[in-house]
Amino acid sequence: AQSVSQHNHHVILSEAASLELGCNYSYGGTVNLFWYVQYPGQHLQLLLKYFSGDPLVKGIKGFEAEFIKSKFSFNLRKPSVQWSDTAEYFCAVNAGSNYQLIWGAGTKLIIKP
Amino acid sequence: EPEVTQTPSHQVTQMGQEVILRCVPISNHLYFYWYRQILGQKVEFLVSFYNNEISEKSEIFDDQFSVERPDGSNFTLKIRSTKLEDSAMYFCASRQGTGGSYEQYFGPGTRLTVT
Repeated sequence: AQSVSQHNHHVILSEAASLELGCNYSYGGTVNLFWYVQYPGQHLQLLLKYFSGDPLVKGIKGFEAEFIKSKFSFNLRKPSVQWSDTAEYFCAVNAGSNYQLIWGAGTKLIIKP
Repeated sequence: EPEVTQTPSHQVTQMGQEVILRCVPISNHLYFYWYRQILGQKVEFLVSFYNNEISEKSEIFDDQFSVERPDGSNFTLKIRSTKLEDSAMYFCASRQGTGGSYEQYFGPGTRLTVT
C-alpha cells in the first residue's frame, strides 16, 4: 500500500535558521508530490508541487523541494525561516486512478522570534 | 480567486444522529473528494466522486457514509448514525481534472464533534 513518512513531528527553530523537513513515500508508480501548509486556524494551502520535469521545485514564500526518485524522497527546504512560517506542514502523494492524496503525519514547525 | 467553501465550520451532534456536511467546490472542477483528520492523526482519504458517482472509497467509508451532489453545485457528506470516533475535521477538496491538473483545492474544513 502507498504510504508517506515525515520524519519529524515537531521542529523548533529560531528565526533565520535554515529548514529541511524530510518526506519519503512508498509507491512504485508515477507520482505527483505535494507539500501543503496549515497555518494556525486556517485551512490547507498548497506550498508547492512536483509533477514532472526539473526535480527542484520552487513554491510560495521562499520554499523549495527536491524530488529524488532513487531515494523516494521529496524534502522541503527554506534557507531562512521567519516567525510567520510557524505552521503544520504536510507532505502528500497523488496515487491511485483517481489521484486521491495519501498524506504524511505532518510536521509542526515552531519558529521562535 | 475561486475557492472551496464548507458549511458549517463546526458541528456538534449526539451519538446516533445523522449529520450532513456541505461543500461547494470550485465551479469548473470535475473531481471531488472528502478527507478527514482525527485530532492528532494523519489526514485520511475517505472518498472521491466523479461524473455523479463514487469513483473510489477507502475502508473508512463504510455503509454509514454517503456522498451526493444534489444540485450541480453542492457536494455533501452524510454520516447516517454518528459514532464518537467520527469526531474529526472533515475536508472537502476539488480538482479540475483537465489539462493534466492534479492539484486539489481544499475547503476550510468542518469540525465535527460527536458527544
